[in-house]
Amino acid sequence: GAVVSQHPSWVICKSGTSVKIECRSLDFQATTMFWYRQFPKQSLMLMATSNEGSKATYEQGVEKDKFLINHASLTLSTLTVTSAHPEDSSFYICSAPRGSSYNEQFFGPGTRLTVL
Amino acid sequence: GNSVTQMEGPVTLSEEAFLTINCTYTATGYPSLFWYVQYPGEGLQLLLKATKADDKGSNKGFEATYRKETTSFHLEKGSVQVSDSAVYFCALSARSQAGTALIFGKGTTLSVSS
Repeated sequence: GAVVSQHPSWVICKSGTSVKIECRSLDFQATTMFWYRQFPKQSLMLMATSNEGSKATYEQGVEKDKFLINHASLTLSTLTVTSAHPEDSSFYICSAPRGSSYNEQFFGPGTRLTVL
Repeated sequence: GNSVTQMEGPVTLSEEAFLTINCTYTATGYPSLFWYVQYPGEGLQLLLKATKADDKGSNKGFEATYRKETTSFHLEKGSVQVSDSAVYFCALSARSQAGTALIFGKGTTLSVSS
């Protein structure tokens, strides 16, 4: 089946620093990728849609200057958490649909971010 | 708006017990419905899906039927195994700001003991 990877799987950083998370589709091309945030014992919350070759589209309430998204190629999207604060600590998950149908998405294993 | 509500966990069962995890949804239009499973240390995987009313999705012994009249998509399995221990997410496809994305329930943790 299709594989989506994320790197790093776990990161700890100091408050005020920026952290970049990579999402790669390993065996298929993805013009669109999705970024989710998951709080403990809560659902995945869609943050933004990453579009190859154009700007990302953010969901209401998500700060675009805080969470920078770049879809550099058909297999790579990056999420940069800028000037991170402890409240940004969370589990970040990306997904990519394969093909023209969005009815099946493939998820990365997630990145655990802890901001001290 | 669009939302998914699924039963709170954790659900603890003995091997070979019957499993039901309830899921109801609110949506505009006619969404597709999904169950995803997350095994420890792994990413979410699609377990099954249904794209229209009365469709039944099935996979690995799990089943769920798209019930439009009750806006439900309950997950069932007749005989669970220890290897089924995981977190299960009910989801629907819906229009987001940019296109179509998945709206998830909070997840239900299933623990099966031998």
